[in-house]
Amino acid sequence: AQSVTQPDIHITVSEGASLELRCNYSYGATPYLFWYVQSPGQGLQLLLKYFSGDTLVQGIKGFEAEFKRSQSSFNLRKPSVHWSDAAEYFCAVVALMGTGNKLTFGGGTRVLVKP
Amino acid sequence: EPEVTQTPSHQVTQMGQEVILRCVPISNHLYFYWYRQILGQKVEFLVSFYNNEISEKSEIFDDQFSVERPDGSNFTLKIRSTKLEDSAMYFCASSLRPARSPDTQYFGPGTRLTVL
Repeated sequence: AQSVTQPDIHITVSEGASLELRCNYSYGATPYLFWYVQSPGQGLQLLLKYFSGDTLVQGIKGFEAEFKRSQSSFNLRKPSVHWSDAAEYFCAVVALMGTGNKLTFGGGTRVLVKP
Repeated sequence: EPEVTQTPSHQVTQMGQEVILRCVPISNHLYFYWYRQILGQKVEFLVSFYNNEISEKSEIFDDQFSVERPDGSNFTLKIRSTKLEDSAMYFCASSLRPARSPDTQYFGPGTRLTVL
């Protein structure tokens, strides 16, 4: 069965500093990977996804992620964090099923931004 | 931009009562999902729904749960007799493309269910 691990439960970063969130997955087939963000009181918003092709993918809000098959990782990065990036970030992998796909989420990383 | 909507945003109920959580998926989407997130835990898959049938369900989705698409726009999750442990945020999601091909699931803002 597929699984996703986000080793960091909390990360505190200063505004303007760089951010990297780690994600490791376990999946027997070709992984299709996502990063979602959940701001306080909000739902899950898609940041970016990797299906195939270029292993460095660009997303919204200045985020990017790099797929590394050899390391089973899909880490999320942002060069310069803004106060509005304070949120919880979820990595997920999709399992393709017969008539519906199922997302398996990691435990999330909560990002706090210091002024 | 089209979005998934959910009502109510917060539902408080007494243990043993029935609740219905409502979702309006994106209009041209064909695949519908429910997930839940118990406070402090992972987001968990509950059920997927296509062509008016459940296509996959998790072990969490027992006989107390049911889903329905009563008309062309709404997608509902019913919990027949709520338990304390059903307290969670429930997310609805929808996607367009057929299964067995990767596609993006778009999530609603969630309904926070509190069972007293």
